[in-house]
Amino acid sequence: TQLLEQSPQFLSIQEGENLTVYCNSSSVFSSLQWYRQEPGEGPVLLVTVVTGGEVKKLKRLTFQFGDARKDSSLHITAAQPGDTGLYLCAGAPDYGQNFVFGPGTRLSVLP
Amino acid sequence: ETGVTQTPRHLVMGMTNKKSLKCEQHLGHNAMYWYKQSAKKPLELMFVYSLEERVENNSVPSRFSPECPNSSHLFLHLHTLQPEDSALYLCASSREGGIHQPQHFGDGTRLSIL
Repeated sequence: TQLLEQSPQFLSIQEGENLTVYCNSSSVFSSLQWYRQEPGEGPVLLVTVVTGGEVKKLKRLTFQFGDARKDSSLHITAAQPGDTGLYLCAGAPDYGQNFVFGPGTRLSVLP
Repeated sequence: ETGVTQTPRHLVMGMTNKKSLKCEQHLGHNAMYWYKQSAKKPLELMFVYSLEERVENNSVPSRFSPECPNSSHLFLHLHTLQPEDSALYLCASSREGGIHQPQHFGDGTRLSIL
C-alpha cells in the first residue's frame, strides 16, 4: 500500500481541454509538493502547499491542499502540449516518516 | 539547467562490475539525496546527507554505497548489482535537510544491469 495515491494514472487529452489530477492519502501531511517530470529529465518543483485549504495558482495551473491536509489536487486550464509530463506529488506525513513520492499521473496533451 | 549535474547519463554494467555515479550541485545547498526511479514504482528515497553527514538510509542493500566528500558532491558506488537494480538514479539537493524543503533534481543516470 502506497502512502500517497495519485489518480488517474494516465491521462490523454486534446489541447485546450481542462483537467484535474488528484493526490490522496489516509495520513495527514504537514505539506505537499507537486513536481513535473519530462522524459529524460529529473522532476522539477511546481509548488509547495502548507496550509489546509490553501489554493495556489501558477499561470494556468491551480493547486489546492485539502482542509484536512490529506489530499491535494492540480487543475490545469486550457492544457497545452508543453504540459505533457509525469506529475508527481510528494511530502512527509505528520508522524515523521520519510519523505515519499506518489506514483504519478502521466499526462499527454495532444495538439 | 537545474544546478544539479549527474554523470554519466547512461551506464550499462555487468553484475560483477564496480562503478560509481557522480552528482554535483552548484546551488550552495547543504543537503543531498539519492533516489531510485523504477518503471512501475514511485520514486524511492535511498540516502540523505545533510552537511556531509548521512542522516537517512532507507534499508538500501549494501551493494549501494554512498559517499559525500563535501556539500557539493555526492557519489553512489555500485558493486555486484542485480538485474532488478536497473533503474533511473536521481540525485537531488535542497537548501537544508528539512522535509519541507523543495528539492532540485538532476536529470539522472539511466542504469542497466546485464
